[in-house]
This record gives sequence, structure tokens and C-alpha cells, in this order.
Amino acid sequence: QVTLKESGPALVKPTETITLTCSVSGFSLDTPRMGVSWIRQPPGKALEWLAHIFSNDEKHYNTSLKNRLTISKDTSKSQVVLTLTNMGPMDTATYSCARMPPFCAGGVCSYGWYFDLWGRGTLVAVST
Amino acid sequence: SFELTQPPSVSVSPGQTARITCSGETLPNQWSYWYQQKPGQAPILLIYKDTERPSGIPERFSGSTSGTTVTLTISGVQTEDEADYYCQSADRSATCVVFGGGTKLTVL
Repeated sequence: QVTLKESGPALVKPTETITLTCSVSGFSLDTPRMGVSWIRQPPGKALEWLAHIFSNDEKHYNTSLKNRLTISKDTSKSQVVLTLTNMGPMDTATYSCARMPPFCAGGVCSYGWYFDLWGRGTLVAVST
Repeated sequence: SFELTQPPSVSVSPGQTARITCSGETLPNQWSYWYQQKPGQAPILLIYKDTERPSGIPERFSGSTSGTTVTLTISGVQTEDEADYYCQSADRSATCVVFGGGTKLTVL
């Protein structure tokens, strides 16, 4: 069974740095062209993509948050980690990780820029 | 950066056809994807690569594209289809992902 599960603090103070962990099972982060993204959703608002990392360690970030985000992976632990610095009230959201599977057709595989499986998300509140 | 624009809300009666549009300048050059999200739940992939439907997704969900606009069509809407719908694509360089602002579908 393929699953993704997020973990991290539920409450942080302004200016703090948060570290979120996505633990995956049922697939390998080493699979060619496999990726995992972090996506957040403030209460009652839209989805916002934050960052992704592929099996070859290629990383990309939301340009509006790039200076505050770092994504990494530990393949041996099947984990993808996201850090977000200088947290503020606007960062209150449910943070989710999602799998970006390779798209394979006719024996050729390419990067799949979509999300076929999501974790349930973890709610992070920023408050004093 | 680029944006994907969706109408905030769409309302239909059960059995009717709902159409949700998504506009963006990169859509002629990048694939589009659609997700359904119900309250308190994770999004579900409905459409990938503009028109393809993953296994397990009902045939009443379909995607189409025309120029800078892609459309999710739900034929024979059911009450269980009431949810938020998001389109998604990538930027010109295919390095960044963007979501539309979401459309709340109300089944009257």
C-alpha cells in the first residue's frame, strides 16, 4: 500500500523555523523520475505548491518563498524533509506532501508534473 | 511567475452538466491537471495531461483544452460531486508548479 504521512509541530512562534517530515511507504524515493512535493493550504484558501525534489536530487522551489525553503530527502529512511524559516501568521496552514510519479508510455518514462497520491496533511499554526 | 485563473464558484442542479474553466498563458505549452477536494480530505487526481482520466475516476469527469483555457466537464452531476476543484500546471521552464485558485461546485 502506498502512503505518505506528514509530521511536524502543530504550533510555532513567529520568527521560528519549522521542520516537516514526509514519511513514505510502498514506493522508493530512488525510483527514476519519482518526485515528492510539499503543498500547503491556509484555512479556507487555495492550494499552494511549495517545493519538490526528484529522485536525482533535483529540487525546485516556489519563487515567492524560495529564500525561506529548503527541501531534502533521506532515501534510506524514505523521508522527505522541508524546512521553512522565519515563520509568520500568514504561514498558518495545513502542510501536505504528495507523490509526483513518473509518466511512462511506450517504454519511455518522463517526469510527471502532477500528484497522484497525497498525505492527509498536518496543520501548523503560527502564534505567540 | 504565472497564474491560473478559475471562477470562484459554479452552481448546477443534479443531472446537469458543470463546466469549470481554468485560464493561463502557459496552458498551450504545458499539460494541465485537475483535482477534487472535499472538506477535510486530501485532493484526488481527476484528470491528467489535459484529457486523461486515472483508473477509478468516473467517466462523467472529462477534460478538454482550447488555447489558453482548459475545462473540466462533469456530466450528469451528482450531489456527491459537490466539492472544490483545482486546476494545476507548470511554468514555461517546467520547474515550478502552480495551482489555480479553486472553484467551489455547489449542487443545488
